[in-house]
Amino acid sequence: DVKVTQSSRYLVKRTGEKVFLECVQDMDHENMFWYRQDPGLGLRLIYFSYDVKMKEKGDIPEGYSVSREKKERFSLILESASTNQTSMYLCASSLSPGANVLTFGAGSRLTVL
Amino acid sequence: KNQVEQSPQSLIILEGKNCTLQCNYTVSPFSNLRWYKQDTGRGPVSLTIMTFSENTKSNGRYTATLDADTKQSSLHITASQLSDSASYICVVSADDYKLSFGAGTTVTVRA
Repeated sequence: DVKVTQSSRYLVKRTGEKVFLECVQDMDHENMFWYRQDPGLGLRLIYFSYDVKMKEKGDIPEGYSVSREKKERFSLILESASTNQTSMYLCASSLSPGANVLTFGAGSRLTVL
Repeated sequence: KNQVEQSPQSLIILEGKNCTLQCNYTVSPFSNLRWYKQDTGRGPVSLTIMTFSENTKSNGRYTATLDADTKQSSLHITASQLSDSASYICVVSADDYKLSFGAGTTVTVRA
């Protein structure tokens, strides 16, 4: 089974702190994605990557950056966390962009105080 | 703008009963539509995928339908079980592989 592992299930941070959310997949997938999920809203794409060292902005990239130094690892970075970034963050991977069969991690629930 | 609307927002049903979830979309051009199930505290997991030419697809007690003319899909759950309690998300893919997500329907199955 494809496995997408998000290192932190729950985090509590203070406004202005730098936050790292780590995601690792073990099936050699080319594509990796970061979404945020908020009540009443669909999943919104923050950033995605189709290859190592490659990144593309999604629909809501403001306040976030990403890093993909290795194929299996895709990190989401909040340079200076703000309260409106309190959310559930979901990492996903897929074999190819057209397949759109996303395999999701369990999510990281971030609270910014 | 591509949009996916799901209804109802939430519903409660008794164990053993059936229910139907709706998904209306305005995504164009249309490539495919997928239903995901998201258990509490977990990431979404794919249930079914439907392309333009498919009307109905089943996965156990889950049956999805698609009417590409009216841009509507439904997910029917038969003989519900407690384990069906989850959020169900409709995801529509455009030809450029961009995904549009519905906000989800939360289903609670009570004994």
